[in-house]
Amino acid sequence: GENVEQHPSTLSVQEGDSAVIKCTYSDSASNYFPWYKQELGKGPQLIIDIRSNVGEKKDQRIAVTLNKTAKHFSLHITETQPEDSAVYFCAAYGGYQKVTFGTGTKLQVIP
Amino acid sequence: GAVVSQHPSRVICKSGTSVKIECRSLDFQATTMFWYRQFPKKSLMLMATSNEGSKATYEQGVEKDKFLINHASLTLSTLTVTSAHPEDSSFYICSASGGDNYGYTFGSGTRLTVV
Repeated sequence: GENVEQHPSTLSVQEGDSAVIKCTYSDSASNYFPWYKQELGKGPQLIIDIRSNVGEKKDQRIAVTLNKTAKHFSLHITETQPEDSAVYFCAAYGGYQKVTFGTGTKLQVIP
Repeated sequence: GAVVSQHPSRVICKSGTSVKIECRSLDFQATTMFWYRQFPKKSLMLMATSNEGSKATYEQGVEKDKFLINHASLTLSTLTVTSAHPEDSSFYICSASGGDNYGYTFGSGTRLTVV
């Protein structure tokens, strides 16, 4: 089955700096890679996603890159703000809607 | 956009009682709904997958008689924790897919505390 590894598990950055979270996956058949933000006591919210036929996608301060050959994808947050502090999960979708989540990264943005 | 509503957000119950959690897709028909359990500081653990009108498919190690899942309509799935014990205390999250929603839309989660 699919195996998704996510690093780092915790990340502290100064406000205004960039944050990068990386995930690797094992199943070459996976074709959809979303990123979720989860605030304390709430359900995950989709913040950006990328499909396997695209190498990069950007939405304002958030971008995701995908390297299918190396089987890794990354989340980039620029000009971080305190409200970006949360736990971020990557995920990889394979066939039959089977999704595997990463282990999560706790991001802390220090004002 | 796709919205999934989950209720209640918090519930406290006594050991031995049953608790029902509802998950509703508000603006789309959810052909498939998923139930997750999340332990503190951990990732989401898939418990079961339910398709409208059919029996849920449970992940290995999840007791189907303890965690009853019903997906009676295209907009509603319920998870009933039967004969709850303190070790069932956790954060339960549903998600749904269907229609134009390619990925998952998550509910806001339910914090269950069994005392």
